[in-house]
Amino acid sequence: DTAVSQTPKYLVTQMGNDKSIKCEQNLGHDTMYWYKQDSKKFLKIMFSYNNKELIINETVPNRFSPKSPDKAHLNLHINSLELGDSAVYFCASSQDARAAEAFFGQGTRLTVV
Amino acid sequence: GNSVTQMEGPVTLSEEAFLTINCTYTATGYPSLFWYVQYPGEGLQLLLKATKADDKGSNKGFEATYRKETTSFHLEKGSVQVSDSAVYFCAVRVNNNNDMRFGAGTRLTVKP
Repeated sequence: DTAVSQTPKYLVTQMGNDKSIKCEQNLGHDTMYWYKQDSKKFLKIMFSYNNKELIINETVPNRFSPKSPDKAHLNLHINSLELGDSAVYFCASSQDARAAEAFFGQGTRLTVV
Repeated sequence: GNSVTQMEGPVTLSEEAFLTINCTYTATGYPSLFWYVQYPGEGLQLLLKATKADDKGSNKGFEATYRKETTSFHLEKGSVQVSDSAVYFCAVRVNNNNDMRFGAGTRLTVKP
């Protein structure tokens, strides 16, 4: 009964490939996020969705495209993977756009070779 | 925009030592402040929070007080344990804005 779950946990792929990371939350939250954590542990927001609507879209290459089929899911699709995309990607959710606390998934470690 | 600056690590302490990790923020409006902890191989977990000035958040022996006059939210613990070894993130969020900004993280290692 994990609150925020991401799959896969580990992903190793070659440069140029296209891959997706899935995220689901069973908390009934309206808002979901994707964060990227680099090798130095710096955590940076990428996208935020509220009720399936894109709210925040930071300066992220167009190769990254989030998709929210319903408010319990926010998937991240990455085209033409590059070495610099290697990082840990975290999904998170919060009750709504005003809620203080965010709940995080366990992360997906993406390694591009 | 909103931002957080926290002290750089890594921080290495002996068991039972006193811990302080400094955090200062820049934000418009009325921010809420947080400390998250990331244990090895895991996602971030909320450690404590404070939603208005002079509030003190506390959990598992950790404390932080929301100081509006100094725009700070320093994390403290009187006696650390080996199990406290983790990366600690300070974060700020402004009301009516679902953009949460994190500091760079501070790695704490506690040795027996």
